[in-house]
Amino acid sequence: GAVVSQHPSRVICKSGTSVKIECRSLDFQATTMFWYRQFPKKSLMLMATSNEGSKATYEQGVEKDKFLINHASLTLSTLTVTSAHPEDSSFYICSARGLRETQYFGPGTRLLVL
Amino acid sequence: AQSVTQLGSHVSVSEGALVLLRCNYSSSVPPYLFWYVQYPNQGLQLLLKYTTGATLVKGINGFEAEFKKSETSFHLTKPSAHMSDAAEYFCAVSEPGANSKLTFGKGITLSVRP
Repeated sequence: GAVVSQHPSRVICKSGTSVKIECRSLDFQATTMFWYRQFPKKSLMLMATSNEGSKATYEQGVEKDKFLINHASLTLSTLTVTSAHPEDSSFYICSARGLRETQYFGPGTRLLVL
Repeated sequence: AQSVTQLGSHVSVSEGALVLLRCNYSSSVPPYLFWYVQYPNQGLQLLLKYTTGATLVKGINGFEAEFKKSETSFHLTKPSAHMSDAAEYFCAVSEPGANSKLTFGKGITLSVRP
């Protein structure tokens, strides 16, 4: 149980294009999902908290117009990196919150912007 | 505010030896505590968690951890290391409540020598 999927697993795009990453909770409903960014050899940096049916809450320093988050259903949240640039290249990981504050993580999406 | 300290960045043990990964936390309320493991280019997998009740928690793959309030610690142990245990390990703390976020330690890389 408590499986979270992400799609795509890897994406390469040109600078200036937009990329959408999907996060799905497969066997449970999640009113809250989280989006993280992880740099090489570093811990996870929380970008935003996504709540079903409402606007996402962004962490300080994260541009909400650049990283658009939509949580349209209890099993799906999407992160769109708009007008991507090479500095946006990173490993993006989502999680879905289950019982007792436990977060279940997706497998991650490797984004490379050329 | 909550925080997690994982001292050191790398631990190396021989196959069959005891694994001990240290984690200390600070929290203004009784915390929820988690250990996650990350294999290369993958998301995080929940190893074990402490929320309430028994302070010795058993997880997957033979790992266990003990919540010691007096020491504000939640160290992870495994009696006998296996080669497949080589990975990155993250300790995390959460304060119970709606939309409570996880705060991660910086992670420890575990290497297992043949």
